[in-house]
Amino acid sequence: QVQLQESGPGLVKSSQTLSLTCTVSGVSITTDGYYWNWIRQHPQKGLEWIGYIYNTRHPYYSLSLESRVTISVDTSNNRFSLKLTSVTAADTAVYYCARDNGGNEHAFGIWGPGAMVTVSS
Amino acid sequence: QSALTQPASVSASAGQSITVSCTGTSNDVGTYDFVSWYQQHPDKAPKLIIYENTRRPSGLSSRFSGSKSGNTASLTISGLQPDDEADYFCCSYAGPGTSLYVFGTGTKVTVL
Repeated sequence: QVQLQESGPGLVKSSQTLSLTCTVSGVSITTDGYYWNWIRQHPQKGLEWIGYIYNTRHPYYSLSLESRVTISVDTSNNRFSLKLTSVTAADTAVYYCARDNGGNEHAFGIWGPGAMVTVSS
Repeated sequence: QSALTQPASVSASAGQSITVSCTGTSNDVGTYDFVSWYQQHPDKAPKLIIYENTRRPSGLSSRFSGSKSGNTASLTISGLQPDDEADYFCCSYAGPGTSLYVFGTGTKVTVL
């Protein structure tokens, strides 16, 4: 079955760049028709969609984060990545990678377990 | 683009039914039939339980059902069980030119 797993540093210094990777197993990330997403959850709070990449080449970002976010795909290792620049304490959160259901259903059917990232001063 | 509004908490006894509301605007919930619901147990990733307002993923219990009227979507859980105690989030597609997906504020469901 399809599984996702986030990885990356759990601690990032303020003003630096947060980098996370989501390794995909059970399906090729180049399979047509799927959106590969990043979503975050601030401590004790709700969820926030960060962005996705579609068909390995077409990213789309949340308007509130688009000036600082890059999502890219590494097809040789079947994974996709998130980079968030100029981080502050407000970027402290659990970061999830997620795949949609396909078929333009606009629902996140498969999630990784999440990676906690703390921004320190 | 503001978060969708959900009640902070809902509680009921085991075996009873509850309904969780999710109120958006005419720019999201009211326009698109793409409301999804997620169940999240403590320290776990969210799990999809409803998509496209009313559809359940394969294998999911029919005790979970969704509906939508105007700018408000609802999740109903019937025959509450102890394992239903969790946080529940709604999410709506908001269309091109926006941040695309807006989540709800979340509802803590407690089974008494």
